[in-house]
Amino acid sequence: GNSVTQMEGPVTLSEEAFLTINCTYTATGYPSLFWYVQYPGEGLQLLLKATKADDKGSNKGFEATYRKETTSFHLEKGSVQVSDSAVYFCALTGAGSYQLTFGKGTKLSVIP
Amino acid sequence: DAGITQSPRHKVTETGTPVTLRCHQTENHRYMYWYRQDPGHGLRLIHYSYGVKDTDKGEVSDGYSVSRSKTEDFLLTLESATSSQTSVYFCAISATDSAYEQYFGPGTRLTVT
Repeated sequence: GNSVTQMEGPVTLSEEAFLTINCTYTATGYPSLFWYVQYPGEGLQLLLKATKADDKGSNKGFEATYRKETTSFHLEKGSVQVSDSAVYFCALTGAGSYQLTFGKGTKLSVIP
Repeated sequence: DAGITQSPRHKVTETGTPVTLRCHQTENHRYMYWYRQDPGHGLRLIHYSYGVKDTDKGEVSDGYSVSRSKTEDFLLTLESATSSQTSVYFCAISATDSAYEQYFGPGTRLTVT
């Protein structure tokens, strides 16, 4: 079956530091890949997506590139802010499916 | 923001009692989902619906049932709550023209004592 593995947290960074959160996946066919973000006390929000190999999703300064050869979809941001503190989830939907499979989440804390 | 509300937002109940959680959407989207979120597990799919009266099981459906009699409402029922069902429950919807993207409600925190 499908699965998503993302780096364990928590991750603590200083403001303006570079962020990478690793995500790798196992799926048959050509899944669509997503990053969701959950701010404290809130539901999940779609951050970015990529639907085919070599696509780059981007939003709010965050980027992730769909790498089929390494089955990865790492999240990056060049300069984090305190307001980026949240839990980040990598997820996928398998080909022909509407069901999301999530990673366990990575908690990011950004300190001033 | 997608128009999704969940009720109640918080509930404490005793073991063995029935509990129903409601998800309401104003977007007229076809697909609706119930997830539970637990530490160390991320989100896991309980049940989903692909239309009125059309539902199917997800990864962790044991102990849960669902109903969808109207497009806008998706109900999750715990027939006899157990302490292992203490969790945060999220509803999600998919737009009919972009079924792979899901939009989430604010969540319901359920505690079973």
